[in-house]
Amino acid sequence: GAGVSQSPRYKVTKRGQDVALRCDPISGHVSLYWYRQALGQGPEFLTYFNYEAQQDKSGLPNDRFSAERPEGSISTLTIQRTEQRDSAMYRCASSLSGSSQETQYFGPGTRLLVL
Amino acid sequence: GEDVEQSLFLSVREGDSSVINCTYTDSSSTYLYWYKQEPGAGLQLLTYIFSNMDMKQDQRLTVLLNKKDKHLSLRIADTQTGDSAIYFCAESKHDYKLSFGAGTTVTVRA
Repeated sequence: GAGVSQSPRYKVTKRGQDVALRCDPISGHVSLYWYRQALGQGPEFLTYFNYEAQQDKSGLPNDRFSAERPEGSISTLTIQRTEQRDSAMYRCASSLSGSSQETQYFGPGTRLLVL
Repeated sequence: GEDVEQSLFLSVREGDSSVINCTYTDSSSTYLYWYKQEPGAGLQLLTYIFSNMDMKQDQRLTVLLNKKDKHLSLRIADTQTGDSAIYFCAESKHDYKLSFGAGTTVTVRA
């Protein structure tokens, strides 16, 4: 498949545990984005990478959230010491470049449930 | 988010036209988008319109933009059961960040 893939698709964890969510963008796409979507809401921007450089992390809610893309391809979003309020759908998107004219292609998302 | 608002639900009979409305607050928005979300799938880009356009048509989809009123609409002609989904309006300014509305759930009834 040539689309954006994310894993795991579902993650249930206990409060206080760390979780790592993976995103595999479309091959050749330079830009990668993470969004968080609460139930009944639209996605909200978390962070943006251009190649391996994290260009914008202004949407990360606090310092328990971090993301990396070390080789400019696969990205991992890590949430440390999870809390119940972190429960949401986490969506990854990629685009050919970071231009506002470029279409962002979204993956299926990882649904995180923190008990 | 707060910058983009949509009505939450729309029910339409199969074969009729659907019209989904969206309002946004930021006049500097450069692109406005419509995404479709089906269960278990990612967000699919349906269409987009640049802010200097009034209308864009793509097969069964027609997008109308009223910049003065900051109002965007998506019309789906001859609505089918496969059109049942959540539709998100989104805007971007001069960068990569998309701001989404809360989504409109469209239900197509036979």
